[in-house]
Amino acid sequence: DAGITQSPRHKVTETGTPVTLRCHQTENHRYMYWYRQDPGHGLRLIHYSYGVKDTDKGEVSDGYSVSRSKTEDFLLTLESATSSQTSVYFCAIKNVQDMTYEQYFGPGTRLTVT
Amino acid sequence: AQSVAQPEDQVNVAEGNPLTVKCTYSVSGNPYLFWYVQYPNRGLQFLLKYITGDNLVKGSYGFEAEFNKSQTSFHLKKPSALVSDSALYFCAVRALISSGSARQLTFGSGTQLTVLP
Repeated sequence: DAGITQSPRHKVTETGTPVTLRCHQTENHRYMYWYRQDPGHGLRLIHYSYGVKDTDKGEVSDGYSVSRSKTEDFLLTLESATSSQTSVYFCAIKNVQDMTYEQYFGPGTRLTVT
Repeated sequence: AQSVAQPEDQVNVAEGNPLTVKCTYSVSGNPYLFWYVQYPNRGLQFLLKYITGDNLVKGSYGFEAEFNKSQTSFHLKKPSALVSDSALYFCAVRALISSGSARQLTFGSGTQLTVLP
């Protein structure tokens, strides 16, 4: 999985609780992404980062925040989890050194909000 | 609006037969197109891409895809399917997203391919 780890891999939490998902990469890539995967929707971009402390919103960013204090770590936070945020969350990196544009994905985190 | 569509939720094919997974796109300017595969409980794996050049692109595991500008399509193909090809396949296009200023990947809804022995 392209040197990307995600933690935790599975989590069950209650509505209204805060949740933080971690993405860690070992290859010093500048661009990192958070997606959610839901049946019938494919993958949808939540937030992305183009460097330390540089982040921007994706198409489904409401209810989510991110932080990137180190190149290797990109955190996704659900400030107050809702049942609609039950999903599988994927982190990805993009290698821009050869301008090939494809992204490489981590193994995913399955989040259930009860 | 810029988007990508996979018109078939499910494709079934017999082992040894050719397979096609369809993808159409709508994007301003020249499209950058990608195919990814997802096996159960795994992340997405990159298969192939079209940026420019030959319309027939070859990728991993014997897959290829044909870019057709007039039909705005980028169908994934394989001459002889294997049972191990059974997986979820996603088409993606690099495009502007509505909430940002940068071009990002927009994914189709996915096609479940089942290869029957």
